[in-house]
Amino acid sequence: DADVTQTPRNRITKTGKRIMLECSQTKGHDRMYWYRQDPGLGLRLIYYSFDVKDINKGEISDGYSVSRQAQAKFSLSLESAIPNQTALYFCATSEPGTPLDGYTFGSGTRLTVV
Amino acid sequence: AQSVTQLDSQVPVFEEAPVELRCNYSSSVSVYLFWYVQYPNQGLQLLLKYLSGSTLVKGINGFEAEFNKSQTSFHLRKPSVHISDTAEYFCAVLYNNNDMRFGAGTRLTVKP
Repeated sequence: DADVTQTPRNRITKTGKRIMLECSQTKGHDRMYWYRQDPGLGLRLIYYSFDVKDINKGEISDGYSVSRQAQAKFSLSLESAIPNQTALYFCATSEPGTPLDGYTFGSGTRLTVV
Repeated sequence: AQSVTQLDSQVPVFEEAPVELRCNYSSSVSVYLFWYVQYPNQGLQLLLKYLSGSTLVKGINGFEAEFNKSQTSFHLRKPSVHISDTAEYFCAVLYNNNDMRFGAGTRLTVKP
């Protein structure tokens, strides 16, 4: 099994719908992140969590919310999806403290909002 | 603001040719540097990293990168590429021990 698992892998949804993207990890890492990837823009941080009770906004949090249900689970929600939220979404984890080993990424969720 | 710039959005190259993917970052006292590779329909995988010590670091699949503090650069190189190296490559910089910034990516296409 993958260290970081994202579900679903692909999703098409309609404008205005609520959608949740899920992430679970077996790394035992405390820190978890949600990024979106857009062509030519690289990865941009949406939210991050350093432990279950610590959740922080990233650079593009508007229109998104998150829930850290357990150390291993971190979900991203779009309360009312809009077309410009069409993107590839990645969950990542890192060790506590300074992440000198970098991040471990999931395989991504491709979301299309029509 | 901290930023990471990958100077080429696309790099086409023939098989067995050398390649360099360029990355510059905004200067900071404390940085750690990373290169990631993303194959189609996959997540990012760590290719190599620079934390301290020798400025030339070697990674997986024959890639290496050189940290140049005065130029604030961390360019990725491979002396001879294979078709299987076709992927997108991301430079990332960890600022102040907990602020990871990614470049926009460079799409490397290796042609036969």
